[in-house]
Amino acid sequence: DAKTTQPNSMESNEEEPVHLPCNHSTISGTDYIHWYRQLPSQGPEYVIHGLTSNVNNRMASLAIAEDRKSSTLILHRATLRDAAVYYCIEKTGGTSYGKLTFGQGTILTVHP
Amino acid sequence: KAGVTQTPRYLIKTRGQQVTLSCSPISGHRSVSWYQQTPGQGLQFLFEYFSETQRNKGNFPGRFSGRQFSNSRSEMNVSTLELGDSALYLCASSLEGVMNTEAFFGQGTRLTVV
Repeated sequence: DAKTTQPNSMESNEEEPVHLPCNHSTISGTDYIHWYRQLPSQGPEYVIHGLTSNVNNRMASLAIAEDRKSSTLILHRATLRDAAVYYCIEKTGGTSYGKLTFGQGTILTVHP
Repeated sequence: KAGVTQTPRYLIKTRGQQVTLSCSPISGHRSVSWYQQTPGQGLQFLFEYFSETQRNKGNFPGRFSGRQFSNSRSEMNVSTLELGDSALYLCASSLEGVMNTEAFFGQGTRLTVV
């Protein structure tokens, strides 16, 4: 299975930007990068996904390196509600229908 | 629109029993995937169903099975429960279950085997 590497934990202060890195050095040309987060006592929640170019939505931005071997999830102004485990996932093609391969993720702590 | 609904939210079963968990996907979604989450192993993929057919399966023993109905609702069954099956079971629905679609997760069913 495709594997990504993320820091175990990161900390931020409320209302400051947060940059969550992810390495996916074995990514193939057709694999998408997906980000999900899991708040305490809840199921994972979709954040954003992209293929080659940077992507923005109401929750976050995704910056993908030109060689696609790494990406960064950007939360522009962290809130206490953003404290969660963030998962970076390589969504592979072929027969991986409906399958998301979760790693250990990054535990984000947001300080008031 | 309504999200993914999983029932029941909590279950306590005895070793050796069997259990059935239910998942109602978002209306219009045809792909339903199931995951097991434990503190030691994290989130692990069980299987995925699309239009009543299992398209993908993870590395779990045959005691874990599932099915999908014509209305896209899905059930998973675990037979001969073991203590190690205690976990949070999550289901996720998506339109097609392929690379460029997002998945929506339910809140999960917390299964405790005693």
